[in-house]
Amino acid sequence: AQRVTQPEKLLSVFKGAPVELKCNYSYSGSPELFWYVQYSRQRLQLLLRHISRESIKGFTADLNKGETSFHLKKPFAQEEDSAMYYCALTRGDNFNKFYFGSGTKLNVKP
Amino acid sequence: ETGVTQSPTHLIKTRGQQVTLRCSSQSGHNTVSWYQQALGQGPQFIFQYYREEENGRGNFPPRFSGLQFPNYSSELNVNALELDDSALYLCASSLAKKQGLGFFGQGTRLTVV
Repeated sequence: AQRVTQPEKLLSVFKGAPVELKCNYSYSGSPELFWYVQYSRQRLQLLLRHISRESIKGFTADLNKGETSFHLKKPFAQEEDSAMYYCALTRGDNFNKFYFGSGTKLNVKP
Repeated sequence: ETGVTQSPTHLIKTRGQQVTLRCSSQSGHNTVSWYQQALGQGPQFIFQYYREEENGRGNFPPRFSGLQFPNYSSELNVNALELDDSALYLCASSLAKKQGLGFFGQGTRLTVV
């Protein structure tokens, strides 16, 4: 069965510290992985997708098929990074149905 | 700010009633997806519409139904409301099926009492 697991509900770090938001998945097939972010009082929005291999707002994510993980990383956290982060996957040949993790709230302290 | 608009923003209904939620897509977007987000959980896929046809459905009972109109706006209908239907309902529109989830609406908070 398809499943996305984000083991941490809350992650607190100090400004300037490295950040790693964990995401593990189970999927029989070839998934595409995404990270979505929701800032306070804003809509859910795409942060980055694996297929693009890009860095957005200093965040990167590497797909590790052996460990079935897609952790989100940033070397130096900023206060404006405080938000709710969701990892999601979809079928690589369809993109119609997305499976989301339960989210991790990142709190960057000054 | 994106062009995806959902109405109403908040709604309170009684168990057993029916509800219709609306989503106005981003201009030019022909695909709309609906998600249910219970408190403390990630969004859960309900269904997707592409050019007025259903293009996939999640694990929701038939009392959850939808429509997409020629202008690509969409409705989510829920019959025989249950207390567990209380959630935030999100729609997302995109330009094409394989673009994935483009832009999300702000959501409709449904409370069933």
